Amino acid sequence: AQSVTQLDSQVPVFEEAPVELRCNYSSSVSVYLFWYVQYPNQGLQLLLKYLSGSTLVKGINGFEAEFNKSQTSFHLRKPSVHISDTAEYFCAVRSISGGSNYKLTFGKGTLLTVNP
Amino acid sequence: DAGVIQSPRHEVTEMGQEVTLRCKPISGHNSLFWYRQTMMRGLELLIYFNNNVPIDDSGMPEDRFSAKMPNASFSTLKIQPSEPRDSAVYFCASMTGTKINTGELFFGEGSRLTVL
Repeated sequence: AQSVTQLDSQVPVFEEAPVELRCNYSSSVSVYLFWYVQYPNQGLQLLLKYLSGSTLVKGINGFEAEFNKSQTSFHLRKPSVHISDTAEYFCAVRSISGGSNYKLTFGKGTLLTVNP
Repeated sequence: DAGVIQSPRHEVTEMGQEVTLRCKPISGHNSLFWYRQTMMRGLELLIYFNNNVPIDDSGMPEDRFSAKMPNASFSTLKIQPSEPRDSAVYFCASMTGTKINTGELFFGEGSRLTVL
């Protein structure tokens, strides 16, 4: 079984400031890692994913995330945010193998609010 | 291309009434998921279908909930009788079998259910 902890439920920042949304996970097996974004009144969409290879992954809209296996973390970053980045961000994990590898386990989300 | 289509977008009903939520997955996607999103519990997987067959319904809260997928292009989630604690946003998501490891779920815009 896996679990995901998003350490901040809300992160307010000013426009053009950098931001980091934190995610830690727990799993007894190797996992794939994902960040999804949910804009107001919409469904979730994939922002980026780590499957293997370089631990720094880049996604859409200038976001990137770094996988740290020793710290079991997958923090999301953006060097300069825009008002349009206001949304809820979800970290998720999936086991690489096993009978339940279709199942994504989501964190509870971090609401990023970008203020002018 | 059309995305995942859910209906209704909003439903307000009274306790005890039957509720039916509908989903049309993306054409060619053979995996379909129903999720429930609440403030308290976040995103919970209710049921997973593969090739129209229910594979994992362990997340269905109780017998009042049922889901069907009569064909590859349609699924329903039914609650009978509904209760106030069922109030939530219900998401349908689909995925191709070839993307099972990449985690790229495609979500609908959700059905917001309010049970009075």
